[in-house]
Amino acid sequence: AQTVTQSQPEMSVQEAETVTLSCTYDTSENNYYLFWYKQPPSRQMILVIRQEAYKQQNATENRFSVNFQKAAKSFSLKISDSQLGDTAMYFCASLAPQGAQKLVFGQGTRLTINP
Amino acid sequence: DSGVTQTPKHLITATGQRVTLRCSPRSGDLSVYWYQQSLDQGLQFLIQYYNGEERAKGNILERFSAQQFPDLHSELNLSSLELGDSALYFCASSVAPPSGGLFGELFFGEGSRLTVL
Repeated sequence: AQTVTQSQPEMSVQEAETVTLSCTYDTSENNYYLFWYKQPPSRQMILVIRQEAYKQQNATENRFSVNFQKAAKSFSLKISDSQLGDTAMYFCASLAPQGAQKLVFGQGTRLTINP
Repeated sequence: DSGVTQTPKHLITATGQRVTLRCSPRSGDLSVYWYQQSLDQGLQFLIQYYNGEERAKGNILERFSAQQFPDLHSELNLSSLELGDSALYFCASSVAPPSGGLFGELFFGEGSRLTVL
């Protein structure tokens, strides 16, 4: 079974600062994917970034990057030059492509960017 | 716009009642997933269908049922509703079949917010 843990219920930073959200996971699969989803007040689930476990290089999408530590089963999200529009709930999730391909989500981190 | 359409967006009903939530997947997507998000919680997987067949079940109550129709839209039926069923119900769709190591990104709808009074 897969589990995902986000230990930071809430975080708050000033606009333009860099913030890192933590996530740890547990899985018995060798092949899996990891994701960060953003859920703004509009409640839409928006994919921010994804990482394939077999890739050693950390994924990057513009101001968003991850620090994937496979041995430690850690998958943190770094947001650089944070913007007011980054204010949202952020969910870490894992997925094993074998079987049902269901996403397993963490409990989320509520991130507030202050002006 | 993810291409996944969910209706209704909001629904208020009373305990003991039955409701049906509807999901139309993205064009071409054969897999449909249902997730439940209780207040300020992560999403919990309920059930998955692929091309009309149930493929996986998660923490779905016996009072809940779902189906996927030949046109690939899906419905989630919630019956004998309780206060604790109040939540946001998400549908997601994917092009990939649920096996074989292939992965297709899941696209989420905007959710149906159910309030049980």
